[in-house]
Amino acid sequence: AQSVAQPEDQVNVAEGNPLTVKCTYSVSGNPYLFWYVQYPNRGLQFLLKYITGDNLVKGSYGFEAEFNKSQTSFHLKKPSALVSDSALYFCAVRDMGFGNNDMRFGAGTRLTVKP
Amino acid sequence: EAGVAQSPRYKIIEKRQSVAFWCNPISGHATLYWYQQILGQGPKLLIQFQNNGVVDDSQLPKDRFSAERLKGVDSTLKIQPAKLEDSAVYLCASSLMGSGTEAFFGQGTRLTVV
Repeated sequence: AQSVAQPEDQVNVAEGNPLTVKCTYSVSGNPYLFWYVQYPNRGLQFLLKYITGDNLVKGSYGFEAEFNKSQTSFHLKKPSALVSDSALYFCAVRDMGFGNNDMRFGAGTRLTVKP
Repeated sequence: EAGVAQSPRYKIIEKRQSVAFWCNPISGHATLYWYQQILGQGPKLLIQFQNNGVVDDSQLPKDRFSAERLKGVDSTLKIQPAKLEDSAVYLCASSLMGSGTEAFFGQGTRLTVV
């Protein structure tokens, strides 16, 4: 079955600095990969996805993510962090191999951007 | 475009009581999901519908949880009887058909079982 790991519970960056939130995945077939953000008392909001094609995917609010098949990673990045980016970030994967292809989420990474 | 609607937003019940959550997906979305999100964890899929048929309910505790999606639109998730460990946020999401499509989430229902 597919799985996702977010190795960092917490990421702290200063405003204006670049940020990276890490995600690695495990699938038997080809992956569809997603990033979501969750603000307090809110549902998850879709940021971006990788389906096929260019390994660098651009999404909402200036975020981007790079798909790396050899490292089975899909790290979320932003060149210049804002205080308003502080939130909980979830990586998710669907396995396009055999079996069911439900979306599996990581445990989440809390991003804190300090002024 | 209206988003995924869920109600109620908050619910507090005693253990062994029953509770029901309602979800109205985005118009035209054939796929509907119910997720359970326990504090500090990522969402866990409970059940996935395609129109009014169940695609995956492998992680649904069927002895106490049930869900239906009559007419392939609205959905209801029920817990009977509730246990303390059911305290969580229950998220409903919907998407167009196709595995490459992203899911859109409602705000969730925060359930506290005391």
